[in-house]
Parts: sequence; structure tokens; C-alpha cells
Amino acid sequence: DTGVSQDPRHKITKRGQNVTFRCDPISEHNRLYWYRQTLGQGPEFLTYFQNEAQLEKSRLLSDRFSAERPKGSFSTLEIQRTEQGDSAMYLCASSPTFSTDTQYFGPGTRLTVL
Amino acid sequence: KNEVEQSPQNLTAQEGEFITINCSYSVGISALHWLQQHPGGGIVSLFMLSSGKKKHGRLIATINIQEKHSSLHITASHPRDSAVYICAVRWFGPRETSGSRLTFGEGTQLTVNP
Repeated sequence: DTGVSQDPRHKITKRGQNVTFRCDPISEHNRLYWYRQTLGQGPEFLTYFQNEAQLEKSRLLSDRFSAERPKGSFSTLEIQRTEQGDSAMYLCASSPTFSTDTQYFGPGTRLTVL
Repeated sequence: KNEVEQSPQNLTAQEGEFITINCSYSVGISALHWLQQHPGGGIVSLFMLSSGKKKHGRLIATINIQEKHSSLHITASHPRDSAVYICAVRWFGPRETSGSRLTFGEGTQLTVNP
């Protein structure tokens, strides 16, 4: 399967713990996006990478959140000192640089903070 | 107030009915996407529009740039069309720093009964 993959698919953690999610984009896709989706809402933009450079971060991304894409391929999203309000679906998407803007979404990681 | 508004929030139809979902946005955009999300989170891109109309099978998407409005139509609806349909826009802005980041509506939950 050559689509966008995310790992894990589900994560349950206790408040205060750190969690890390991984996204593997479609190979050769330069652009990678992280979005967060809470129940009953549409996704919200978190951050964007062009290759390894993190070019934009939403104000939603507090200092407890950090994202990396060290070699311009896979990306990780880490949440430190998780809070119950962090419970959501975390979606990753990728697109080629010179594209028609179509983004390809992964299946998401559902985080539950107890 | 969301910058991208969808209506209705929920829609129940009988199999075979013609369905319309609407999306309005506040300022100029470079592209509008219609996405489909099934239970479990997976998001699939249905259409990307910057003007006019597109058709794929039983799905038709239209956009009126002057009125800042788009519609998604489903002809001869079927229970397998049951999903959340999400409208998302790319605002005008520098691709170099923001890529193709999307702003999403809250989604329309469609249920088609047999």
C-alpha cells in the first residue's frame, strides 16, 4: 500500500504522559500537514512541512506540541504533559510540491487522554 | 464563527433521493475541496474546484466564486453514500510558506436509509 500511513491508530494515555505519533507520507511527496479533529468538528490545521522545514504552525500548537520531519520523509508529532482536551483524532496528509493542491490523508491516530 | 460554513449539519435521506450539501466561505479562495469521511476517520478527497462544475459518477460539485458558495450534489443516493461530507478551502496566500493548508467546515453527516 503506497498511501499515507499513521502509527499508532489508537492511543490511550493518562493525563500528564507524553505521546508521540508517526506519519509516513506518500513517497516523494514534499509537503506534509498535521491536522487535529475533535468529535463532531471538521479538522483544524496544526502545522506544515515542506521537506524537512517546518514552515507554518497554528496558534493551536501550544508549546506542549512539537513536530519534526528530520529527513524530509516521515514526520513525528509529540505531545508533552497530555491534557484531557488533547483527546482528538490527529490526521496527517501529504501532497506533491507542484500539485493541484490535492492532499492525501492518512487514517489518523485517535488519542484518548484519561 | 467558522470561516467555512456548511449546511445542513445533518441530513437523512431515503435511497434514491437527490441530495444537496452547501458550503459558504468568507473571503477569496484559490481552491475548494469536497472530502468524504467514513466512520473510523479515513478522509478521501472527492473534488477540488476553483471554478465551474465537476462531475464524477453520481457526484456533482459546483462553485460560484462571486457568491462564495459551493454545492455538492449526490444523485440516486445509496446507503453506501452515508458518511460525513466536509468542505475545505485554501485561502489565497503564499504557497512557499503555507503550502496548500486547508480550512475545513464542520462537516455534514449524511445518512441514506434503504
